[in-house]
Amino acid sequence: DIQMTQSPSSLSASVGDRVTITCRASQSISSYLNWYQQKPGKAPKLLIYAASSLQSGVPSGFSGGGSGTDFTLTIYNLQPEDFATYYCQQGYSSPLTFGEGTRVEIK
Amino acid sequence: QVQLVQSGAEVKKPGASVKVACKTSGYTFTSHATHWVRQAPGQRLEWMGWINAANGNTKYSEKFQARVTITSDTSANTAYMELSSLRSEDTAVYYCARDKEGGYKEFDYWGQGTLVTVSS
Repeated sequence: DIQMTQSPSSLSASVGDRVTITCRASQSISSYLNWYQQKPGKAPKLLIYAASSLQSGVPSGFSGGGSGTDFTLTIYNLQPEDFATYYCQQGYSSPLTFGEGTRVEIK
Repeated sequence: QVQLVQSGAEVKKPGASVKVACKTSGYTFTSHATHWVRQAPGQRLEWMGWINAANGNTKYSEKFQARVTITSDTSANTAYMELSSLRSEDTAVYYCARDKEGGYKEFDYWGQGTLVTVSS
């Protein structure tokens, strides 16, 4: 199975900050990497697919990058509604696997 | 609009089975695979398997292969996930999710989740 490791596991930031979350795959997954946002008690929401493509309706302040084994999710100008947990997910091979999540908290 | 609406919360005893329904609307059910993902309390998301309703083909995570069955009813635009031989570690929120079919196994719409509690 492909292991997905995110860092940090949590971070504190202020409104207006830029934050970057990293995701590392245990083997190369090309660009088969997706990012989700999840708020407490809610289903995940797709933000970025294919490593860097912005899902329709997602604000342009979200940006994804990387390929191979190392990926990033950057949130520019952090907004109050962006405080949530973020997960990466590989779609390269079965079983599809997720990272452990990064919780973005208000400083 | 695209919607996936899941059946309600369940409480089961160890050893029992549970079947969760995912009723879809707003798109062609047979044009998008349906995945099942679960999340135990405080844990990461865990993929269980998927079904292609157009032909009934399924693929399961090896972890659940022996205990999970995913089916679909195209006349009702509904997918089902049945998990057997339940144990306490199966207590989780179970989600269905639509495959966007962009080729990257990305899930663009999700059900609201169904809490399954396994307790004696």
